[in-house]
Amino acid sequence: KQEVTQIPAALSVPEGENLVLNCSFTDSAIYNLQWFRQDPGKGLTSLLLIQSSQREQTSGRLNASLDKSSGRSTLYIAASQPGDSATYLCALNYGGSQGNLIFGKGTKLSVKP
Amino acid sequence: KAGVTQTPRYLIKTRGQQVTLSCSPISGHRSVSWYQQTPGQGLQFLFEYFSETQRNKGNFPGRFSGRQFSNSRSEMNVSTLELGDSALYLCASSYGQGFGYTFGSGTRLTVV
Repeated sequence: KQEVTQIPAALSVPEGENLVLNCSFTDSAIYNLQWFRQDPGKGLTSLLLIQSSQREQTSGRLNASLDKSSGRSTLYIAASQPGDSATYLCALNYGGSQGNLIFGKGTKLSVKP
Repeated sequence: KAGVTQTPRYLIKTRGQQVTLSCSPISGHRSVSWYQQTPGQGLQFLFEYFSETQRNKGNFPGRFSGRQFSNSRSEMNVSTLELGDSALYLCASSYGQGFGYTFGSGTRLTVV
């Protein structure tokens, strides 16, 4: 069974801190991996998409890496801000006939001013 | 460029009733997927449509059904509502595998 685990489940940090969110998966035969953020009661906002052949993607203060051999992806947030407070979700796409996303439970981030 | 539009945003229904949710994908996107989000189970895949054909289906009872129209707009129907169907229902669209998914704001369904 393909499973996605996100650690930690919750994280509280002071503003300005650099932080790393982790995502691990049991089946490394992924097609791509996508990181999302979700604000309370809202939909998902796509942050970064990493294809299977890529090692990392960057967007502004965000950097996501992918290591298929170890079944891990990390989302690095530099110089965190209170506006970064949200739940961050990792989603895997295995492609083919199973083109749906498999989500982790998320990491709830709180950045204190 | 308009995003993924889901209507309605909120719904309150009585147990036993049925409900239809709507999703308009981003222009040009032919793939539409539906997910259910609950505090206990997280995000779970319901089904995916591509060019009006159901391409993939999650592990949900037959009370949950969907369809996609020629303009790629999709509807999801839940019949004989149960209290446990209360959830945030999210729709996502994509050009296809490899392009990533864009989600709508969701429909919050409450069954009383």
